[in-house]
Amino acid sequence: DQQVKQNSPSLSVQEGRISILNCDYTNSMFDYFLWYKKYPAEGPTFLISISSIKDKNEDGRFTVFLNKSAKHLSLHIVPSQPGDSAVYFCAALRGNTGKLIFGQGTTLQVKP
Amino acid sequence: DAGVIQSPRHEVTEMGQEVTLRCKPISGHNSLFWYRQTMMRGLELLIYFNNNVPIDDSGMPEDRFSAKMPNASFSTLKIQPSEPRDSAVYFCASRTQGVGNTEAFFGQGTRLTVV
Repeated sequence: DQQVKQNSPSLSVQEGRISILNCDYTNSMFDYFLWYKKYPAEGPTFLISISSIKDKNEDGRFTVFLNKSAKHLSLHIVPSQPGDSAVYFCAALRGNTGKLIFGQGTTLQVKP
Repeated sequence: DAGVIQSPRHEVTEMGQEVTLRCKPISGHNSLFWYRQTMMRGLELLIYFNNNVPIDDSGMPEDRFSAKMPNASFSTLKIQPSEPRDSAVYFCASRTQGVGNTEAFFGQGTRLTVV
């Protein structure tokens, strides 16, 4: 039962263009959504988050959009840089229990 | 703070042997998670603790897997007996539960190979 789904295993974009990573979830009880970035041989690191009561959060080149009715969120990276090449994980948090669930991940490749 | 510390970084063991993975969370964090990274399921939640108490172990794949958190600064994940299909990278993470949205911090992971 995969409650958080990232249906695109990989994405390739040109440097300077926009990268859009998508995530779907099934449980309407999640309170926060987070994006993590992972380089090979390292642990995931936190990137950006959004509360379930918001529909947008922006931090520099990174923006997360939340569509609660569609149970869908997306991460936009503009402009994309080669250093952004990594695996991106979407995660959902139940605030009352602290249960943190991740998706399958999407491998982003930004070509110079 | 040194962050979440996992040991060992790499473990190679023979099928049937017992394997113990260790984790030291960030001081002051009261929630600890064990994840396994696989291609199919991504970061799969195995078990998590709040205030040293196991809250949800529904992700533990089989009875061969067990986890303990004897105190706030130490946790173990044990596999006994190990099998080749247990080969994966295992991550430990910690965060502060109960204070809004605070992110979880991950360790470097333990790469387990069962031959």
